Amino acid sequence: AQSVAQPEDQVNVAEGNPLTVKCTYSVSGNPYLFWYVQYPNRGLQFLLKYITGDNLVKGSYGFEAEFNKSQTSFHLKKPSALVSDSALYFCARIIPSNDYKLSFGAGTTVTVRA
Amino acid sequence: DGGITQSPKYLFRKEGQNVTLSCEQNLNHDAMYWYRQDPGQGLRLIYYSQIVNDFQKGDIAEGYSVSREKKESFPLTVTSAQKNPTAFYLCASSITGGLDTEAFFGQGTRLTVV
Repeated sequence: AQSVAQPEDQVNVAEGNPLTVKCTYSVSGNPYLFWYVQYPNRGLQFLLKYITGDNLVKGSYGFEAEFNKSQTSFHLKKPSALVSDSALYFCARIIPSNDYKLSFGAGTTVTVRA
Repeated sequence: DGGITQSPKYLFRKEGQNVTLSCEQNLNHDAMYWYRQDPGQGLRLIYYSQIVNDFQKGDIAEGYSVSREKKESFPLTVTSAQKNPTAFYLCASSITGGLDTEAFFGQGTRLTVV
């Protein structure tokens, strides 16, 4: 089973509207969860993480994500999207009690139209 | 500046050749990772290493080899056994343990078979 799933290949929103990028994970221990963003022909940039504590985590560029254990989800959100948020977004997972294998979802392309 | 450096940025390989991609980090990170990125496939893990002189196969290790002789360095060799090596290769590093486990990525190497 896929360890991290991003069910949407693409998300399109208008500038100023809320943005949500979905991520679910397979249950195995207590995962560490991450969101990264990638701009064309570049490496990945870290946005935010859930390790422990408050289920709502805030990250860079106004993004936030909510860890939902019962739904095994970690959706990325931004209340008001910008055109500059257009990029490829990846959800990732580590199982720290295992071997620190860092696994990624397939990615979601976000397009914010002006 | 602290960071993770991949070289070269672009690499061309002839059929039947082995090529080595360089990845160096000065972040004092224990873990290092190699990923392959193809359009629509997200990031697929090739090899990873948690400590010096030890590494594990990822999900698509066939046709690749690595070494971890120094903490700072994790070179990836794409061998002639890799039948479809044209891709974007990303290296990452992270600490293991604690709360600061997010991975840092290099800027990538684009390998093309000519």
